[in-house]
Amino acid sequence: QKEVEQNSGPLSVPEGAIASLNCTYSDRVSQSFFWYRQYSGKSPELIMSIYSNGDKEDGRFTAQLNKASQYVSLLIRDSQPSDSATYLCAVISNDYKLSFGAGTTVTVRA
Amino acid sequence: SAVISQKPSRDICQRGTSLTIQCQVDSQVTMMFWYRQQPGQSLTLIATANQGSEATYESGFVIDKFPISRPNLTFSTLTVSNMSPEDSSIYLCSVEGVETSGSIETQYFGPGTRLLVL
Repeated sequence: QKEVEQNSGPLSVPEGAIASLNCTYSDRVSQSFFWYRQYSGKSPELIMSIYSNGDKEDGRFTAQLNKASQYVSLLIRDSQPSDSATYLCAVISNDYKLSFGAGTTVTVRA
Repeated sequence: SAVISQKPSRDICQRGTSLTIQCQVDSQVTMMFWYRQQPGQSLTLIATANQGSEATYESGFVIDKFPISRPNLTFSTLTVSNMSPEDSSIYLCSVEGVETSGSIETQYFGPGTRLLVL
């Protein structure tokens, strides 16, 4: 069983819509969770982190965490063409190693 | 977050040769990591490199194929040895860091080295 699983996509949304990305993880002791954005040909860039149950908002991004369900999500509100990228869900272990999901490619249609 | 650079940014190599990738960070960090991202795939951790100790390799990766050096707290190298076309990937280094809006330990990535083996 993979440690981190994401809805594989690709996900296509119209400009201005909400993009919803989902991620589940298998290790119940995981404490911190991250969303990285990776543009084509570039390296991953950290955009959100969350470690408490509930929602965390940063601009147009909202991360949601439900530890009981082992579920993390990322909402992108008012999606812009510049949001078109691959979004990687990641979980950090006690020895600071990151496990990544396969990524979800988002395309925002103008 | 730390500023991380990698050299070379890209290279085309012949099979059977070796390539050493350098990773430089602008501040001292305890932990550095090396990842591989094969075409269309996610990131896979190769090894963890801590200064003053041997690198710790993940399952499926061995020191003979991917020797790593960590001579000080700002620098590391990864060598891809005896390359084959299957080694064509993006190789990324990352460093530990504290996420800016909280106190969570996370990782920040260098720009990557794009390797094509013919």
